[in-house]
Amino acid sequence: RKEVEQDPGPFNVPEGATVAFNCTYSNSASQSFFWYRQDCRKEPKLLMSVYSSGNEDGRFTAQLNRASQYISLLIRDSKLSDSATYLCVVNLGSTGRRALTFGSGTRLQVQP
Amino acid sequence: DGGITQSPKYLFRKEGQNVTLSCEQNLNHDAMYWYRQDPGQGLRLIYYSQIVNDFQKGDIAEGYSVSREKKESFPLTVTSAQKNPTAFYLCASSISAGAVYNEQFFGPGTRLTVL
Repeated sequence: RKEVEQDPGPFNVPEGATVAFNCTYSNSASQSFFWYRQDCRKEPKLLMSVYSSGNEDGRFTAQLNRASQYISLLIRDSKLSDSATYLCVVNLGSTGRRALTFGSGTRLQVQP
Repeated sequence: DGGITQSPKYLFRKEGQNVTLSCEQNLNHDAMYWYRQDPGQGLRLIYYSQIVNDFQKGDIAEGYSVSREKKESFPLTVTSAQKNPTAFYLCASSISAGAVYNEQFFGPGTRLTVL
């Protein structure tokens, strides 16, 4: 089982739609969680950190479910510019190491 | 302008050659990281450094080497021992590797192609 798993998609949605991605992680000791956005042939950029209480930033909402070991990202009122690959990222909290483990990404294509 | 720079953007190498990828940051971050990304795959950690003059192997360190002589700089050398070096290489930094929420920020990457 992969340490961080995502549905690769693609998710094809019309403009204005609401779309949600889930990501599961294997290590129950994981301590911190993030969503990054990566455009084609570009570097990943931090979209939002995911806190235990959940958090919202404009049209984007992130939730953490520790009991079921998954995090989610909800995008409301999708824009064409939201088309990208969304990377789920987890700090597995391994002893002496704070590097992050990246999922393979979920591709979103918003269509006019 | 604070940020992370990587050079070159594109690099071509003949088999058997060593090449060095540059990564510089002026964010005053303690920790720096090197990742490799292959098409359709997630990022895999090559090496990371939590502080100057210290670095640790990541998940796929074989065939790579690094140095961290200055806080701002973390160059990666891809040696001839790396069997499949063609990939997208990303450098990142974070304030501290020890923080729980250690958001990492990435440079624009270097695309290495072995001819």
